[in-house]
Amino acid sequence: GAGVSQSPSNKVTEKGKDVELRCDPISGHTALYWYRQRLGQGLEFLIYFQGNSAPDKSGLPSDRFSAERTGESVSTLTIQRTQQEDSAVYLCASSFGGLNTGELFFGEGSRLTVL
Amino acid sequence: AQSVSQHNHHVILSEAASLELGCNYSYGGTVNLFWYVQYPGQHLQLLLKYFSGDPLVKGIKGFEAEFIKSKFSFNLRKPSVQWSDTAEYFCAVNAGGRRALTFGSGTRLQVQP
Repeated sequence: GAGVSQSPSNKVTEKGKDVELRCDPISGHTALYWYRQRLGQGLEFLIYFQGNSAPDKSGLPSDRFSAERTGESVSTLTIQRTQQEDSAVYLCASSFGGLNTGELFFGEGSRLTVL
Repeated sequence: AQSVSQHNHHVILSEAASLELGCNYSYGGTVNLFWYVQYPGQHLQLLLKYFSGDPLVKGIKGFEAEFIKSKFSFNLRKPSVQWSDTAEYFCAVNAGGRRALTFGSGTRLQVQP
């Protein structure tokens, strides 16, 4: 597709369950980012992948959060044993070559609701 | 740690009014600055960016922003807003060699016809 694609667009889960969120970046984009946006707040950086380099995981809030990326394509963000405070919109973005190009292309997000 | 402050959380204007949204950041070194916009029901998209050079940056749809280093500010302006400018606006900064953008909390702009 032409843009960043995320799935599911909406996910409702029960506290304690695991969830997996998927991101398909724009073809050819080497950098991929995950952000979290809680209601009424700004975007919170979670993790960054750049090519074959080790990912920057400095934003992951706890060890319940993990993410993987296969080469320069699809990424999955996994949240284990979900808690109510995990409820948020999870945004994926990609860019060609990292921030020196200046522009991140965002997907429409996955809205997670933990009951 | 770098941070970004957007002091206006919700702004309501009439069409043709002038707009200025504040953005301040906390980092003393070289910065790259961005404004992103999210229209209702759409994804975030880049409005404009500043890397170096002329501190007055022009973006899409008549928006501009001015980088004032001494004030650690990067305010967004538009001389005359339209109803279609109704959206949420996010300021973001990249600094200190970090590989991710730090975003402000956003300003929701509502333009009344």
